[in-house]
Amino acid sequence: DAGVTQSPTHLIKTRGQQVTLRCSPKSGHDTVSWYQQALGQGPQFIFQYYEEEERQRGNFPDRFSGHQFPNYSSELNVNALLLGDSALYLCASSLPGLGQNTEAFFGQGTRLTVV
Amino acid sequence: DAKTTQPNSMESNEEEPVHLPCNHSTISGTDYIHWYRQLPSQGPEYVIHGLTSNVNNRMASLAIAEDRKSSTLILHRATLRDAAVYYCILSGWGNEKLTFGTGTRLTIIP
Repeated sequence: DAGVTQSPTHLIKTRGQQVTLRCSPKSGHDTVSWYQQALGQGPQFIFQYYEEEERQRGNFPDRFSGHQFPNYSSELNVNALLLGDSALYLCASSLPGLGQNTEAFFGQGTRLTVV
Repeated sequence: DAKTTQPNSMESNEEEPVHLPCNHSTISGTDYIHWYRQLPSQGPEYVIHGLTSNVNNRMASLAIAEDRKSSTLILHRATLRDAAVYYCILSGWGNEKLTFGTGTRLTIIP
């Protein structure tokens, strides 16, 4: 089992550009969540996808959007990049019921640098 | 979201037990207590979770206070590979997200 895989591992973009990050969940998992982790901080929840729909969203602007495909893989899109969007973006997969009796598996993350 | 409080940092000697505390005085009756850790340059990794009773798995033990307002993650015999940031997280029914704080940075001294 490859676990959660994310691509690319590193990315450099210019302010104002758009970026797409990709995530393949752990085999058997149908729920994908995205987190942003700034340097020295804990991960912050962006949103979660289940059955191809956004189920829950954190406090992030509409510039952050996502998609889940029928095979449960997911994309995170960020438009009009700001310098403050520079961070490690983490994807986590799980079964439904994460808030209760199950666990999340995280990928290694995509390090995004906006210049 | 119910809030957790953890020490910013802790140190422990290699091969000794480590007790990582977490306070969560506003926990609700349906909140689970989750622990994750993040090793350097990696994504967070699940450690353990529990609701009311103490829990054991191959990685650690979780001791939950009787009033559930605090808990302790116990690493029975720390190794250098246990050096990481440990996060204590509460999550309950209908809440599918993990709300991370700043965690406890654990340093293991050889």
